[in-house]
Order: sequence, then structure tokens, then C-alpha cells
Amino acid sequence: SQTIHQWPATLVQPVGSPLSLECTVEGTSNPNLYWYRQAAGRGLQLLFYSVGIGQISSEVPQNLSASRPQDRQFILSSKKLLLSDSGFYLCAWTVAVSRHNEQFFGPGTRLTVL
Amino acid sequence: GENVEQHPSTLSVQEGDSAVIKCTYSDSASNYFPWYKQELGKRPQLIIDIRSNVGEKKDQRIAVTLNKTAKHFSLHITETQPEDSAVYFCAASKRDDKIIFGKGTRLHILP
Repeated sequence: SQTIHQWPATLVQPVGSPLSLECTVEGTSNPNLYWYRQAAGRGLQLLFYSVGIGQISSEVPQNLSASRPQDRQFILSSKKLLLSDSGFYLCAWTVAVSRHNEQFFGPGTRLTVL
Repeated sequence: GENVEQHPSTLSVQEGDSAVIKCTYSDSASNYFPWYKQELGKRPQLIIDIRSNVGEKKDQRIAVTLNKTAKHFSLHITETQPEDSAVYFCAASKRDDKIIFGKGTRLHILP
């Protein structure tokens, strides 16, 4: 069965520091991968998605970037965090080619920027 | 592109009563409509979904209906229980395309 991992689970970082969040998927090949951010009490904002290694689509201009160095690994980064980057970061995956579009979320990383 | 509107943003119902959350979508090519439940501090979990070749789907106390002509779909929860308190998200997508989410409905079950 498929499993999605995210780490760290929680993170407290000062403004201006760098960020690296990692997501890995097990039990499937060539998944579509997604990064979402959720501010406290708000909805799901799609940040990036990837349909394959090295293929990244950005949904919202910001000081974040994403990379997909391996088929089942998706990384979210920032060179300098802002206070507004605080939130709950969720990685998600879907089967790349299927008539089914079920999307499953990882456990999330709660980021607090101080 | 696709746009999903969800109402209400907040809903309070007495325990044991029914709750209904409604969504509309804009892209007539969308053919997959999932619903997610997010408990406080947790990840969204897929609870039920419906495809455009089906008008209604039921799973115990949860049911979803789809009206393709009107581009409406709804989540119905019957005999609500305290553990139904959560934020619910509807979504829509086309095959091989990203899922577009509604803004969510915070459901409170009152004792």
C-alpha cells in the first residue's frame, strides 16, 4: 500500500532563516506530487505541483521554491523565511495516469516563523 | 480554469440532526468530486467521492449527490455525532488534472 511521509512534523524558525521540508512517497511509481499551505483556520492553498522528476509548476509567486530530485521525493525550500510563511504545510500525491484522481495528504509540517 | 464555491463557511447543527454542505463548480469537463474531512491539527482525509457518471453515492451516514446540469454537488451527513465536528472541503477535477478545492465548511455539532 502507498504511504506518504513528511518531516519534520513541527518547526520553529526565525525570520530570514532558510527552510527545507521533505516529502517522500512509498508504494507507487511516478506519482503527481503537490505542496499546499494552510494558514490557521483557512483553506488549502496550492503552492507547487510536479508530474515528474525535475518538472515543477508554481501556482503562486512567493519566496518559496520546490524541487523533485527523485521520482518519489518532493522538497519545499526557502532561502529567507518571512513571518507570512507560517502555516501548516501539506504534501499530497495522486496516481499520475489513471481515470481515478484520488489525492492523499501527508501528515503535514507545522511551521512557525518568529 | 475550474472554480469551486462552497457554502456555508460555518454550520452548526444539533447532535442527531442532519447537515448539508453545498458546492458548485464552473468547468463542465470536471468529472471527479471528492470530499475531505479535516479534524483540528490533522491532515485532510478523503471521506467519500463521486464521479460524473453517478448521481448519488452513500456510505453509512454520509451521502453525496451530483447534479451535472446545474454543476452542483452536496454532502449530506445524517444523525450527526460529536465526532463529525471538523472542517469539510469539497473539490472538483478533470482526469489527469489537479484538484481544485472549495474554501471549506467548519461544522460544529452541538450537544
